Amino acid sequence: QKEVEQDPGPLSVPEGAIVSLNCTYSNSAFQYFMWYRQYSRKGPELLMYTYSSGNKEDGRFTAQVDKSSKYISLFIRDSQPSDSATYLCAIGETTDSWGKLQFGAGTQVVVTP
Amino acid sequence: DTEVTQTPKHLVMGMTNKKSLKCEQHMGHRAMYWYKQKAKKPPELMFVYSYEKLSINESVPSRFSPECPNSSLLNLHLHALQPEDSALYLCASSQEGTENEKLFFGSGTQLSVL
Repeated sequence: QKEVEQDPGPLSVPEGAIVSLNCTYSNSAFQYFMWYRQYSRKGPELLMYTYSSGNKEDGRFTAQVDKSSKYISLFIRDSQPSDSATYLCAIGETTDSWGKLQFGAGTQVVVTP
Repeated sequence: DTEVTQTPKHLVMGMTNKKSLKCEQHMGHRAMYWYKQKAKKPPELMFVYSYEKLSINESVPSRFSPECPNSSLLNLHLHALQPEDSALYLCASSQEGTENEKLFFGSGTQLSVL
């Protein structure tokens, strides 16, 4: 069983819709939760970083963490065609993890005009 | 400057060639990383340098040889690669302290081995 599970999609939504992405994880020692956006043939770009349960909002993006259910989500409001990309969740265990993040498989999102 | 710069962007090499990938950051980050990413897969950690010393080697074959000449530069030397080594090679960096999980990635080098 993978430590982080993420549906690879693709997820297709019309422009203006809310995009809902999620990951589940199995290791309760995970403390740090991130979402990266990756355009085709480019490096991942950090979108959201959080280390506690609850919601964190940044512009059109909201990250949600539920440690009791081992479930994290990313919501994108008012989606745009430029949001079309692969979204990767990444989870770290401790402050000494030094890049040993557990990545989800990535969900491909397509926003159609 | 919040960029991690990787060169070259694309590289095609034969199995007998020797080539190097280069990475540079000027954010003062003290950890630098090499990741390998195959199409439609998540990045896989290869090496971690912390304070210019190799701290993690994820059992990577010796045909990949990392080097950290100084705190801003990271190289990956390639020799006698196999076609299955074709992938996107990503460099990343992170700062020391409580947010060292925040990785900043470069755009990558798309490597094709013929």
